[in-house]
Amino acid sequence: DTGVSQDPRHKITKRGQNVTFRCDPISEHNRLYWYRQTLGQGPEFLTYFQNEAQLEKSRLLSDRFSAERPKGSFSTLEIQRTEQGDSAMYLCASSLGRGTDTQYFGPGTRLTVL
Amino acid sequence: DAKTTQPPSMDCAEGRAANLPCNHSTISGNEYVYWYRQIHSQGPQYIIHGLKNNETNEMASLIITEDRKSSTLILPHATLRDTAVYYCIVRVAIGGGADGLTFGKGTHLIIQP
Repeated sequence: DTGVSQDPRHKITKRGQNVTFRCDPISEHNRLYWYRQTLGQGPEFLTYFQNEAQLEKSRLLSDRFSAERPKGSFSTLEIQRTEQGDSAMYLCASSLGRGTDTQYFGPGTRLTVL
Repeated sequence: DAKTTQPPSMDCAEGRAANLPCNHSTISGNEYVYWYRQIHSQGPQYIIHGLKNNETNEMASLIITEDRKSSTLILPHATLRDTAVYYCIVRVAIGGGADGLTFGKGTHLIIQP
């Protein structure tokens, strides 16, 4: 399967711990996006990368959140000092970065902060 | 990106066509209409997109009104596996604005056996 993959699929952590999620985009996709989705709501945009450059950050991305895409391929999203309000589905998407630039989503990582 | 309005929920009988409306009355000339769906606990799945003309692919048809202020997603023969939340999104083509998608709450489509 050559779709977007995310790891882990589920993560349970205690408040105050750090967590890191990984996203592998579709091969040759230059753009990579992170979204967060809480129960009953649509996904909310967090940030995106054009190759290795982080070009946009939402106001939702607090200082405890950091994302990287060091070689322009996979990306990691780290949350430091997790809070219960961080419990959500974290979604990754990728796109070619040209044309109508359709985004394709991965299966998501479900984070539960106890 | 322009805002969209969708009904919160709809029912459709299995085997019938499901017609999901979306209002985007403030859409700009360079904004595309995208449709995604999300089955419970999965990531959103791209369905179809269009600018002005009607579009059809293996999953669905997209009908956009001439004034582009509304559109309808048509699933021609709905099955139980089509039960999902359907999102209508308008978005400027690459380079024309913000690049994150703006999701609303979508329409929860329930296919009845």
